[in-house]
Amino acid sequence: EPEVTQTPSHQVTQMGQEVILRCVPISNHLYFYWYRQILGQKVEFLVSFYNNEISEKSEIFDDQFSVERPDGSNFTLKIRSTKLEDSAMYFCASSENGRGQYFGPGTRLTVT
Amino acid sequence: DQQVKQNSPSLSVQEGRISILNCDYTNSMFDYFLWYKKYPAEGPTFLISISSIKDKNEDGRFTVFLNKSAKHLSLHIVPSQPGDSAVYFCAAYMDTGRRALTFGSGTRLQVQP
Repeated sequence: EPEVTQTPSHQVTQMGQEVILRCVPISNHLYFYWYRQILGQKVEFLVSFYNNEISEKSEIFDDQFSVERPDGSNFTLKIRSTKLEDSAMYFCASSENGRGQYFGPGTRLTVT
Repeated sequence: DQQVKQNSPSLSVQEGRISILNCDYTNSMFDYFLWYKKYPAEGPTFLISISSIKDKNEDGRFTVFLNKSAKHLSLHIVPSQPGDSAVYFCAAYMDTGRRALTFGSGTRLQVQP
């Protein structure tokens, strides 16, 4: 069964460093999303991406964040200068029609 | 932001019995509701969804009920199995443009053998 994959599974970085989290969505899906879950809190929406552009973003997704679909298969989330409060699980999701979003296993980001 | 609420942090059920997980929402603009299951160290797994124009959707052992007037939905699992033990999240979105999911805080289901 097709699935969303994410790399790396765990990323440790120092405060102020740039990180890139990578996702490979399900191949025929057209809608892509990033969510995050800070330990002990709810899963929160960050950004949605459709037709090679951001379709919606939350208040969390400030200028430090960016997304890209550099080729036909990858979807990346970049954090330019990480802060301690960026430590969280980051989930990528994809959807064929904007419904029934399918999530990847997540990347645990630890900022020290 | 408490637009989607799951008031029971945990639920314990005997194997073979029914599990009922509840979810309330406050935003009447939500058009679509979904249930996800999550194991530790994994991403949420999509289980079942329901459109706001329906009041029931069934898929095997899983049934979701929607009561729009009460802004309440529930997930029924019958019969419950030990492998169903996980955290269950309710989520919702508006169908106009933004399809970002708003999640509840989750309910941990433990199915006792």
